[in-house]
Amino acid sequence: AQSVTQLGSHVSVSEGALVLLRCNYSSSVPPYLFWYVQYPNQGLQLLLKYTSAATLVKGINGFEAEFKKSETSFHLTKPSAHMSDAAEYFCAVIMFSGGYNKLIFGAGTRLAVHP
Amino acid sequence: DGGITQSPKYLFRKEGQNVTLSCEQNLNHDAMYWYRQDPGQGLRLIYYSQIVNDFQKGDIAEGYSVSREKKESFPLTVTSAQKNPTAFYLCASSNKRGLTSYEQYFGPGTRLTVT
Repeated sequence: AQSVTQLGSHVSVSEGALVLLRCNYSSSVPPYLFWYVQYPNQGLQLLLKYTSAATLVKGINGFEAEFKKSETSFHLTKPSAHMSDAAEYFCAVIMFSGGYNKLIFGAGTRLAVHP
Repeated sequence: DGGITQSPKYLFRKEGQNVTLSCEQNLNHDAMYWYRQDPGQGLRLIYYSQIVNDFQKGDIAEGYSVSREKKESFPLTVTSAQKNPTAFYLCASSNKRGLTSYEQYFGPGTRLTVT
């Protein structure tokens, strides 16, 4: 069965510093992976997705993620944090079952950015 | 503007009352989903539907019911049998065709408080 683990429920960085949010997945089939961002009291917005094309995926707002099959990881990075990046980030993997598909989410990582 | 509408944004109910949360989409998506979000637990799938007049239980369906009479609408009823209904509820939709069928687009959410 597919599952996702996000290491670190809270991450704090200084403005301008590197952002690294960790995601490890478990999947018995080639995975489709996603990163979503959620601002307070809002819905989720898709940041980027991996669908077995390029292993380095670029998303919106300067974020990117690298798919590493050998490490079963899909970590999210951004070279320089902005105050506006403060939000909760969710990694997700698609699970296929009986002709249906659904997203399996990690528990989320809350990113704080301080001046 | 295409998107997903959830109403109301905030909802208050007394314990023992059923309440229905609205979700409408004008993206012409076939699939729709309901999630519950609690602090520190990520998103948990309640129900999903991939075609009109058909829906499947998710991981936490007990105490909830849905209907899918129209492609654009997927209302969720939180019944009095749901033991801890206070939460943030998110509706999502996706297209069934091609690789983009795995992307889910989210509404702004409804925060339900039951006292």
